[in-house]
Amino acid sequence: DIQMTQSPSTLSASVGDRVSITCRASQSVNSWLAWYQQKPGKAPRLLIYDASTLEDGVPSRFSGRRSGTEFTLTISSLQPDDFATYYCQHYNNYPGTFGQGTKVDIK
Amino acid sequence: EVQLLESGGGLVQPGGSLRLSCAASGFAFRSFAMSWVRQAPGKGLEWVSTVGISGGKTYYADSVKGRFTISRDNSKNTVYLQVIRLRAEDTALYYCVKDRTPGYCPDGLCYEPQPLLFDSWGQGALVIVSS
Repeated sequence: DIQMTQSPSTLSASVGDRVSITCRASQSVNSWLAWYQQKPGKAPRLLIYDASTLEDGVPSRFSGRRSGTEFTLTISSLQPDDFATYYCQHYNNYPGTFGQGTKVDIK
Repeated sequence: EVQLLESGGGLVQPGGSLRLSCAASGFAFRSFAMSWVRQAPGKGLEWVSTVGISGGKTYYADSVKGRFTISRDNSKNTVYLQVIRLRAEDTALYYCVKDRTPGYCPDGLCYEPQPLLFDSWGQGALVIVSS
């Protein structure tokens, strides 16, 4: 199975900061990589798919990039609504493994 | 608006069984593969199982293979997860999730072109396995 390794596990930042989260696949997943946002007590929400395509309704401050087997989610200017946990997930084949998550909290 | 409403969770003893249901509305249910993803308390997300659009194809995580059975009833817009021989490590919130990309059946065979990409999630059904 393909393993997805996210870093960091926790990220402390302030409103307005530019933040980046990295997800590394243990082997090629092509660009079949999604990012989800989850807030406490809520279901995850799809933010980005195909490594860099923004889902409808997602603010443009979110962006995704692929470099080989390394993927990056960037929030250009962190907003109060963005404090949450973020997960990457590949959907290259079964099982569609998730990363372990990155919690973005308030510094 | 897409709605996925899970039911059937609860407290069950180790070795027990139950059936989770997910009633879907707001989209062409029969055109989308459906899956279950679980989240243990305080932990990350784990894909559990997927059923194709016709119900003929099913996929399972190794951790549940042989114990969980996914199915769907396209006439009722409902997907099910039958779980048996439950273990403490199955304790989790079980989310019903919908594929983003529709499948198609051009010649009697059905295809899901981009499985495992989930654009809609239910609120989850909590399963607690404990004596």
